[in-house]
Amino acid sequence: GENVEQHPSTLSVQEGDSAVIKCTYSDSASNYFPWYKQELGKRPQLIIDIRSNVGEKKDQRIAVTLNKTAKHFSLHITETQPEDSAVYFCAAIHASGGSYIPTFGRGTSLIVHP
Amino acid sequence: GAGVSQSPRYKVAKRGQDVALRCDPISGHVSLFWYQQALGQGPEFLTYFQNEAQLDKSGLPSDRFFAERPEGSVSTLKIQRTQQEDSAVYLCASSLGGAEKKLFFGSGTQLSVL
Repeated sequence: GENVEQHPSTLSVQEGDSAVIKCTYSDSASNYFPWYKQELGKRPQLIIDIRSNVGEKKDQRIAVTLNKTAKHFSLHITETQPEDSAVYFCAAIHASGGSYIPTFGRGTSLIVHP
Repeated sequence: GAGVSQSPRYKVAKRGQDVALRCDPISGHVSLFWYQQALGQGPEFLTYFQNEAQLDKSGLPSDRFFAERPEGSVSTLKIQRTQQEDSAVYLCASSLGGAEKKLFFGSGTQLSVL
């Protein structure tokens, strides 16, 4: 099955700095890579996703890059703000025969200091 | 409904008790997933339904865990003879299915086994 590794487990930055979270996956057939943000005690919420037919996607201060050859993808947050503080999870999804199982990384706790 | 709904929000059980956790997916969503999230960890896959069919239950940790979705809508995760190691947040997620793989999560049920 798929295996997703996520680094770092904790990331502490100053407000205004950039933050980068990296994930690797094992199944070369995975073709969809979402990122979720989970605030304390709340549900994970999708913030951005990328499909395997593109290398980069951007949405305001958030961007995701995908390197299919190396089987890794990254989340980039620019101009971080205190409200960006949360746990971020990456996931890889391999769709096969109408069935698919999203596999999640272990999460990165991002702390943005004012 | 507006989103995925889970109940109860919190459940305290004595070791050995049976519990039932409910998930109401977004109306029309074909795919439904159950995940277990331990404190400080990423969601771990338990089981997956496509309509009423349970296509994958490889993540269920033991035969004490059972899930059903008899009419292809509401799902119930049942844990028999609960143990302390079952303490976790149980997340339900749904997606439209087909080419649409975006997951929408519920707020989860926090289970504490004493």
